[in-house]
Amino acid sequence: GQSLEQPSEVTAVEGAIVQINCTYQTSGFYGLSWYQQHDGGAPTFLSYNALDGLEETGRFSSFLSRSDSYGYLLLQELQMKDSASYFCAVRGEYGNKLVFGAGTILRVKS
Amino acid sequence: NAGVTQTPKFRVLKTGQSMTLLCAQDMNHEYMYWYRQDPGMGLRLIHYSVGEGTTAKGEVPDGYNVSRLKKQNFLLGLESAAPSQTSVYFCASSYSDRANYGYTFGSGTRLTVV
Repeated sequence: GQSLEQPSEVTAVEGAIVQINCTYQTSGFYGLSWYQQHDGGAPTFLSYNALDGLEETGRFSSFLSRSDSYGYLLLQELQMKDSASYFCAVRGEYGNKLVFGAGTILRVKS
Repeated sequence: NAGVTQTPKFRVLKTGQSMTLLCAQDMNHEYMYWYRQDPGMGLRLIHYSVGEGTTAKGEVPDGYNVSRLKKQNFLLGLESAAPSQTSVYFCASSYSDRANYGYTFGSGTRLTVV
């Protein structure tokens, strides 16, 4: 099976940088995805890493180390609107469909 | 461009009642999914479909049935609702099976079984 571990909650100040970590265990690895979900809203796709290294998209970056079964989402210049839950996900044993971590609640304070 | 539309948005059921959750997508996606989301447990896959007329079980399929008679629609049925099925249900679709394409989620159905 698969398992993903993320911190349950992270708090940071507006304008700061925050890193949300994710460690995973899976029998077959096809990449690490990240999704954002605002309270009461739908999850939205943020990023995908198939290979080691850093992928940057604006203020958000995502990193993967396959040898360490580890990745992180980096959010820079935090804004209040970044307060949300963030989920990492890998393809799982059910037809290689996405399996999600329990999510990290990010609280941005002014 | 509506994306993925779920109906209803909210529903309260009594134990033993049945209902169908509707999911429609207008992106011509082949793949569709039903997830449930419970506090502290992330999203868990209930059933999925890789194309019109196909369905398959996910991680937590017990107590649910699905149908994909048309490519754009994916229905989730609860034949005899139980309090343990109180949850938020999300439908999603994707163009490809490859994770890099990302899933597009609907806005969810909040179901309470009393």
